[in-house]
Amino acid sequence: DAKTTQPNSMESNEEEPVHLPCNHSTISGTDYIHWYRQLPSQGPEYVIHGLTSNVNNRMASLAIAEDRKSSTLILHRATLRDAAVYYCIGGGSNYKLTFGKGTLLTVNP
Amino acid sequence: NAGVTQTPKFRILKIGQSMTLQCTQDMNHNYMYWYRQDPGMGLKLIYYSVGAGITDKGEVPNGYNVSRSTTEDFPLRLELAAPSQTSVYFCASSATGGLTEAFFGQGTRLTVV
Repeated sequence: DAKTTQPNSMESNEEEPVHLPCNHSTISGTDYIHWYRQLPSQGPEYVIHGLTSNVNNRMASLAIAEDRKSSTLILHRATLRDAAVYYCIGGGSNYKLTFGKGTLLTVNP
Repeated sequence: NAGVTQTPKFRILKIGQSMTLQCTQDMNHNYMYWYRQDPGMGLKLIYYSVGAGITDKGEVPNGYNVSRSTTEDFPLRLELAAPSQTSVYFCASSATGGLTEAFFGQGTRLTVV
């Protein structure tokens, strides 16, 4: 799996957009970019994933750089329930998902 | 739809004891995974399986064993428990490996004293 680099923590205000960056400069051409989040005392939950094109779903949007060396998870309107650790994972072509330390997102009311 | 179910939710073991953490999924997924998460850290892959009868080591397999006799079940065995194995253990499953969404259980919190 590709090594990923994320900021340790970020802060946002409620109802504002949040952009969570991730660098994955060693990603292979067949690896997907995955985002998971982990709420306190829970297991990780899937957020979104993509290969080359930008992706949208009901939870978030994923913007992937043209060279695929970085990506950004976009939460369009942060809520208090979005406070969690967000993990960016570059991988999947070898059936494994390798987690890093992630970004702790704090949402202020 | 139960998804991924882990039992027990909590367990305290004495050093040297053994136990099996149970994981079952009802989504007919071929790929299953065991992770451990130490306080304040990310998840580390212990073992994974790409189908019944097939298992492979992850990043931190020492001290653990797995088996996969059915598609639904993927138990994790701890032999001779050590304090270093105190952690939260998560089981996950996926339909197509790392290409699509993985579903996680709620975790087993294990303390070895």
